[in-house]
Amino acid sequence: DTAVSQTPKYLVTQMGNDKSIKCEQNLGHDTMYWYKQDSKKFLKIMFSYNNKELIINETVPNRFSPKSPDKAHLNLHINSLELGDSAVYFCASSQDRTGKTGELFFGEGSRLTVL
Amino acid sequence: AQSVTQLGSHVSVSEGALVLLRCNYSSSVPPYLFWYVQYPNQGLQLLLKYTSAATLVKGINGFEAEFKKSETSFHLTKPSAHMSDAAEYFCAVSKGNFNKFYFGSGTKLNVKP
Repeated sequence: DTAVSQTPKYLVTQMGNDKSIKCEQNLGHDTMYWYKQDSKKFLKIMFSYNNKELIINETVPNRFSPKSPDKAHLNLHINSLELGDSAVYFCASSQDRTGKTGELFFGEGSRLTVL
Repeated sequence: AQSVTQLGSHVSVSEGALVLLRCNYSSSVPPYLFWYVQYPNQGLQLLLKYTSAATLVKGINGFEAEFKKSETSFHLTKPSAHMSDAAEYFCAVSKGNFNKFYFGSGTKLNVKP
């Protein structure tokens, strides 16, 4: 059973389109995240939700909108896709929000290619 | 502000040789420090973490790291490299009330037979 699962794994689309990536975790964790990994492997946090409440919102264009229907799900919707949005998007979860236990559990990533 | 610097984007060692991956952090207060590993086409997995207990931390797969406050370093080592260790390794730092992790740019470890 996959702990953190993301769909789709690969996504190829045209500039200007709108797309969504879904994430689900079955670990019973309260906190979920979206990270973006660019072509140079640099990993940067985008959003974090704790029990459906947004707690981290980095400087991300408002074309990106996370949605958490419940604490086991955190979806990412992207409007008006641009070439620079091409990246691998990782969903992750953690047991708590304090940073002390420290372990993030990552999904396998969703590779988005914008043409 | 916090940041993490990983020296060397690529490290190549022979099988059986010592692995040393470098990580330095900048933080005004002692942070929590982590090493994650990413195998091809997979998400990151936690190797080990330092959370202000013992300064020498042992992780999975024979890896360990030592927190040196005077050097603001948290280098990752393994005495003897195995082919299966070939992967991308990320150092990360976290501080504060939220799990706001800052990742380094990664070091790709290549293990030669």
